[in-house]
Amino acid sequence: NAGVTQTPKFRVLKTGQSMTLLCAQDMNHEYMYWYRQDPGMGLRLIHYSVGEGTTAKGEVPDGYNVSRLKKQNFLLGLESAAPSQTSVYFCASSLLPHTTYEQYFGPGTRLTVT
Amino acid sequence: AQKITQTQPGMFVQEKEAVTLDCTYDTSDPSYGLFWYKQPSSGEMIFLIYQGSYDQQNATEGRYSLNFQKARKSANLVISASQLGDSAMYFCAMREADTGRRALTFGSGTRLQVQP
Repeated sequence: NAGVTQTPKFRVLKTGQSMTLLCAQDMNHEYMYWYRQDPGMGLRLIHYSVGEGTTAKGEVPDGYNVSRLKKQNFLLGLESAAPSQTSVYFCASSLLPHTTYEQYFGPGTRLTVT
Repeated sequence: AQKITQTQPGMFVQEKEAVTLDCTYDTSDPSYGLFWYKQPSSGEMIFLIYQGSYDQQNATEGRYSLNFQKARKSANLVISASQLGDSAMYFCAMREADTGRRALTFGSGTRLQVQP
């Protein structure tokens, strides 16, 4: 049981390049989330999914797209990277939407855009 | 308005002493959950403790306890008998039932340093 995994762990992009971050969970969780963490700040929600084939915007969705074609995977895409997207990206998943259930986090992806 | 406020950017504590990390929150949803996460220098997010809005008793998990004062909208984390390994960032977060996404809203964190 690997929990939540993220690929890659580190990446450096040039402005304008594109990339996809992959999140995978093996806990059969319905809900999945993408957050970003900037220095000195807490995590902020980018996009989320309440089940396979569904996605929705969070607090800071601009410049990102997501897809959830399979229940266990949640992809975050940057079509044209900007320096403002330099951040640490965390994926999380949750079994059910009830407030009791904790979110399980992946190890994070550190992205630098130059 | 800030939903989660952590007013202590940094805290120091001596090893083996207790420390309280402050968290206040703002919500009009009667059903919500409050969480504390630890983020060591390695970067991962580690779940510590949970308190539900309808829970009558304060949550405890080993050396962690949550001092929940609903009327004051505060959910302070108490760490007893601090250890060097407790040095980390600590985040308070809230999950509201009324929003369909049920995502966590985080505070800005408190950096705790435990001194020998």
